[in-house]
Order: sequence, then structure tokens, then C-alpha cells
Amino acid sequence: QVQLVESGGGVVQPGRSLRLSCAASGFTFSNFAMHWVRQAPGKGLEWVTVVSYDGNNKYYADSVKGRFIISKDNSKSTLYLQMNSLRPEDTATYYCARDGCGGGDCYGAFDYWGQGTLVTVSS
Amino acid sequence: DIVMTQSPDSLAVSLGERATINCKSSQSILSSSNNKKHLAWYQQKPGHPPKLLIYWASTRESGVPDRFSGSGSGTDFTLTITSLQAEDVAVYYCQQYYSTPLYTFGQGTKLEIK
Repeated sequence: QVQLVESGGGVVQPGRSLRLSCAASGFTFSNFAMHWVRQAPGKGLEWVTVVSYDGNNKYYADSVKGRFIISKDNSKSTLYLQMNSLRPEDTATYYCARDGCGGGDCYGAFDYWGQGTLVTVSS
Repeated sequence: DIVMTQSPDSLAVSLGERATINCKSSQSILSSSNNKKHLAWYQQKPGHPPKLLIYWASTRESGVPDRFSGSGSGTDFTLTITSLQAEDVAVYYCQQYYSTPLYTFGQGTKLEIK
């Protein structure tokens, strides 16, 4: 069965960095684009970033562009999110999610989600 | 950017009754290339990640009960839950994936039991 397990969250001071990981299993990781979606406490869902199936194409929400970097290691079936210059407004639960399109350079709805990891940016 | 607006923000429905949640996109999300509406619905229960319910505006994800259905045109969409069950209490989100690889969600609709 498909599993996505995030890790790496925690409390970090403003301006510092943090790297999140998402370990995938139960499917051919290299066939699927992968996303990060975040949810601030008590708020709605915000799409953050996506990486293409092969790791070559990356796209970001304006709110994180230039600060966050998404990457994908297909040999390890692991997705990463490097978060730099963190701000208090980045405080949220970060979910990794699989793009349901699969099988090439295409994008669709998110069919599997991890349980999330909480990032708190505070001094 | 495509803006997704849901209504109402919250909704209380009696058990066994119908619940209807609306979602409006700021521009058409009907693709001329595949004639499909690039709209998904997700359910999020407290303390849990979102779960995909419906994609292509009206296709139920595998395992989703048939009391959940989706419909709509190029800009106006509806999620309907017939015969509401206690386990349907959740926040529901619509999402457009027309302007991929950039995505937007609606603000969410909280569904409760009356």
C-alpha cells in the first residue's frame, strides 16, 4: 500500500533553515510528481511546491519562491523540502502528497497524503 | 492566478439529510484539450490529512461511498452528500488543477451535524 511519511519538523528561529523529508513506499516513486502542501494552525490548505516525476522541473508558490527548494531522490524514494530564511508565517503542518497523474510529465489531483510534520517558526 | 471560492463557510445538516457545498472558480477550469473539468474535492477530518474524494469534478476516487457526488460546469461546481452520516463531519476543500503546475484550493467548508 502507498505510504508517505514526513519527518524533520520542529521549532526553529526566524531566519534559520530546516529540511523536511518524505519517505515514500508502496509505489514506483520515479513515475510520479510530488508536492508539498502546508496548513497553518486552524487554517486552510496552501499548495507550496511540486517537483516533476524525474526531479528536473520544480515550481513554487509565490509565498516561498526564492526561499524553499524542493528535490526528489528517486534512488531513495524520498522527497525533500529545504526551507531557508524561515518566517513566522511559515508556521504550519507540512504535508507531502503524491500527484495522481503518474506516468510522465503530467499533473493532476493529489491522491495520497502523508500525516504531516509540524514546523513552528518562533523566537 | 485562479481563485477558488467556496460557499458556505460552514454548514449544519441533520443526519440522513442532504448536504451541498459550492465552489466557484474565477475562470473556467474546463480544458479544451481533454474536455475535462480540472476540479478535485478533498475531505479533511480533525487531526488527519486531507483525503481525495472526487477528481475531474465528478469521478469518485476508489473506495469513496456513492453518497458523495460531484457536478458542475466550467466555473461553478458542487459537492453533494446524500444521506449525511456522522462520519462525514469534516472540512471539505475544492482544488483546481487547471493551471498546473500551479494549484489553488478553496478556503474550506466546515460540515457539522445539526
